[in-house]
Amino acid sequence: DGGITQSPKYLFRKEGQNVTLSCEQNLNHDAMYWYRQDPGQGLRLIYYSQIVNDFQKGDIAEGYSVSREKKESFPLTVTSAQKNPTAFYLCASSSPTGNEKLFFGSGTQLSVL
Amino acid sequence: GDSVTQMEGPVTLSEEAFLTINCTYTATGYPSLFWYVQYPGEGLQLLLKATKADDKGSNKGFEATYRKETTSFHLEKGSVQVSDSAVYFCALSAGWGNTPLVFGKGTRLSVIA
Repeated sequence: DGGITQSPKYLFRKEGQNVTLSCEQNLNHDAMYWYRQDPGQGLRLIYYSQIVNDFQKGDIAEGYSVSREKKESFPLTVTSAQKNPTAFYLCASSSPTGNEKLFFGSGTQLSVL
Repeated sequence: GDSVTQMEGPVTLSEEAFLTINCTYTATGYPSLFWYVQYPGEGLQLLLKATKADDKGSNKGFEATYRKETTSFHLEKGSVQVSDSAVYFCALSAGWGNTPLVFGKGTRLSVIA
């Protein structure tokens, strides 16, 4: 079945540590996105990539980094510079004909120890 | 910039009650409009969409009509069920291609038997 796989489902970060969230899709979508979800704040865009080897900052990119070396993969690194990383992180991709329909992964809950 | 405003929740209804979740938007041009639903612990799923004025999107008993004159896209359902309990997000796409969607903050719906 085609879809988006995020891993791990739960992740814990120690102070000063970088952690990487995985996102893989087998939908042959060109564009991929990372959103952060906090209670009462909806979804906020962190980074997005419309094509391999290219990505753009979203509204809250500070403290995060991404790479897009393969079409299928768009990992997100939460760096130690992100002082408030506890949130639910959602990865999404969009169809080749445009973003009329975003497909979402099941999310990763990141917490700080 | 583009934005989406949703009524704040939580909304609590009895089973078989009528549901309305208000959504208004601000955008240049003629955006496409979407409703997404998020069940506990999961990613978002597309519920319905409308791509031009006066279009009505519908799915699973939910409906929303694109009203350009009032810049609104209110979600309605005539008779809610316990299984409809979820968070509902209104979103817009004002650009072309894979321009990221802009989301509202979400409205939590709880339906009690």
